[in-house]
Amino acid sequence: DAMVIQNPRYQVTQFGKPVTLSCSQTLNHNVMYWYQQKSSQAPKLLFHYYDKDFNNEADTPDNFQSRRPNTSFCFLDIRSPGLGDAAMYLCATSRGSIGYNEQFFGPGTRLTVL
Amino acid sequence: GESVGLHLPTLSVQEGDNSIINCAYSNSASDYFIWYKQESGKGPQFIIDIRSNMDKRQGQRVTVLLNKTVKHLSLQIAATQPGDSAVYFCAENPTGGFKTIFGAGTRLFVKA
Repeated sequence: DAMVIQNPRYQVTQFGKPVTLSCSQTLNHNVMYWYQQKSSQAPKLLFHYYDKDFNNEADTPDNFQSRRPNTSFCFLDIRSPGLGDAAMYLCATSRGSIGYNEQFFGPGTRLTVL
Repeated sequence: GESVGLHLPTLSVQEGDNSIINCAYSNSASDYFIWYKQESGKGPQFIIDIRSNMDKRQGQRVTVLLNKTVKHLSLQIAATQPGDSAVYFCAENPTGGFKTIFGAGTRLFVKA
């Protein structure tokens, strides 16, 4: 089945230690998104790629970076995680050239910062 | 500013009853709305969407109603089942681009 895969499902890191979260998709969608979701809150968009075009949200901290080496893969890099970065990180994809398409979400990676 | 919010944080219904989850949005220029279901430990799952040129759209056991006059969106679930227990988010696409703004979420409990 076509899907969005996130690895690992659970990630533990130390305060200030860089961490990378991975997302892959078999849907061949051209748009990929990263969301941050804290406990009992709504997902918050960090940034998205439209093909190779990176689009950062204005309020996304500089501590968060992303890479998309090809259509299938996208990475979220947190350069110096703080305690406030502990959250679920969701990757999503959508197809098409406009935003009127449903997004397909992965299961998320739960990040713990010690 | 833009915001999408929900009237009730939790909703408890009896199995077999109909559920109605409400949502208010503030951006009158928004033209696309989506309902997502998120089960524990999973990512959000698309349920149904509606464009601003419609006021009602039906899916399998679900109906979305849009009232642009009062900027209100609702999700109706018919014959609610235990498998419907989840958090439901309304989401707003204000520009037709790729930014989706999620509301706060309503947790639906289904009592057997």
